Amino acid sequence: DARVTQTPRHKVTEMGQEVTMRCQPILGHNTVFWYRQTMMQGLELLAYFRNRAPLDDSGMPKDRFSAEMPDATLATLKIQPSEPRDSAVYFCASGFPGGSGSKAGELFFGEGSRLTVL
Amino acid sequence: SQQGEEDPQALSIQEGENATMNCSYKTSINNLQWYRQNSGRGLVHLILIRSNEREKHSGRLRVTLDTSKKSSSLLITASRAADTASYFCATDAGRKETSGSRLTFGEGTQLTVNP
Repeated sequence: DARVTQTPRHKVTEMGQEVTMRCQPILGHNTVFWYRQTMMQGLELLAYFRNRAPLDDSGMPKDRFSAEMPDATLATLKIQPSEPRDSAVYFCASGFPGGSGSKAGELFFGEGSRLTVL
Repeated sequence: SQQGEEDPQALSIQEGENATMNCSYKTSINNLQWYRQNSGRGLVHLILIRSNEREKHSGRLRVTLDTSKKSSSLLITASRAADTASYFCATDAGRKETSGSRLTFGEGTQLTVNP
């Protein structure tokens, strides 16, 4: 089965360190999303790309977060410098908006990267 | 801010009973989707209902949508212990040709099905 792959699954780091999370979307999907999940805020949309172009990153703290999609098979989310408040589970999801069929608009999520910043 | 709000926040039932979860939202939508999340895992899509649909079925799942009340419900019939998970509604307020462009998730309902 096709799936979204995220690495690392778990990351513990110290405040101030750089953290990079990677995502391999499902082949053929043209839209990639980054979400962050915390107990307090729930699921928050950080950024998304369409055909590798950033469409919306308004949910992302610009001073420390950056998201890129260097090619169709790789999306990255970088935090530099990391802070304890960044501790969360970061999810990547991919989809094919506007596609045909009953499930057009469905998102496929990876298993997430659990980040702990000490 | 969250577009969708689920109710109840937590639900505990016995195996074999039905579970109903509700979702309310604020703005016009293109479609509404329900996702499930097992503890420590990613979200899995369950069902999508478009704004011009009122009811949809998938196996033991039944979703209704009332756009006049801006609300949806997810019914799981004959629940099983394996249905224990968090359930999220997500609204897509984008244009139809770009459906799935920006899903906004609610805070979820934690369902516990006791054996």
